[in-house]
Amino acid sequence: NAGVTQTPKFRILKIGQSMTLQCTQDMNHNYMYWYRQDPGMGLKLIYYSVGAGITDKGEVPNGYNVSRSTTEDFPLRLELAAPSQTSVYFCASLDAANYGYTFGSGTRLTVV
Amino acid sequence: AQSVTQPDIHITVSEGASLELRCNYSYGATPYLFWYVQSPGQGLQLLLKYFSGDTLVQGIKGFEAEFKRSQSSFNLRKPSVHWSDAAEYFCAVINTNAGKSTFGDGTTLTVKP
Repeated sequence: NAGVTQTPKFRILKIGQSMTLQCTQDMNHNYMYWYRQDPGMGLKLIYYSVGAGITDKGEVPNGYNVSRSTTEDFPLRLELAAPSQTSVYFCASLDAANYGYTFGSGTRLTVV
Repeated sequence: AQSVTQPDIHITVSEGASLELRCNYSYGATPYLFWYVQSPGQGLQLLLKYFSGDTLVQGIKGFEAEFKRSQSSFNLRKPSVHWSDAAEYFCAVINTNAGKSTFGDGTTLTVKP
């Protein structure tokens, strides 16, 4: 049981480049989330999804986009990368029966 | 709007000493509260959670937390800290509508030998 898998683990982008952070889960959870964690801070919600085909903005959505074509996959797209997007990104899924989050191991992104 | 405050940015304790990490929350209804631990370079791991019932909840690794509605607090405790407990600890409250969580900024625990 892999849980939540994120790729890549590390990435360096130049300003203005774009990339997609991949997230997949094998627990058949409807609810999935993208959070970012800046140094010395807690996690901030970027986007979330309550099921395939349904996404919504979180607290800090600017500069990002998501899609949810299947229950398993919830990719996060960065367009026109900016230094302010340097952060660690966590994908998570939620077991709605007990509100238990399962987190991926994170993607450390640096924009230079 | 929901919010979580962890007043202590950094705490240092000696191995074998007791530990208490503070968490205060703001939430309009009955809160669902969580404590997570994060080791360097890792994702977050759930330590324990409170939904209702007994206000003292037990978690993994010997941790416990007490919910106090009158103080809007959910403090994490451990009677005797081990060196392996050194990590960052996050308190969170979940909005049961769509499961969105609000996290505190975390408390970094250092354990002295």
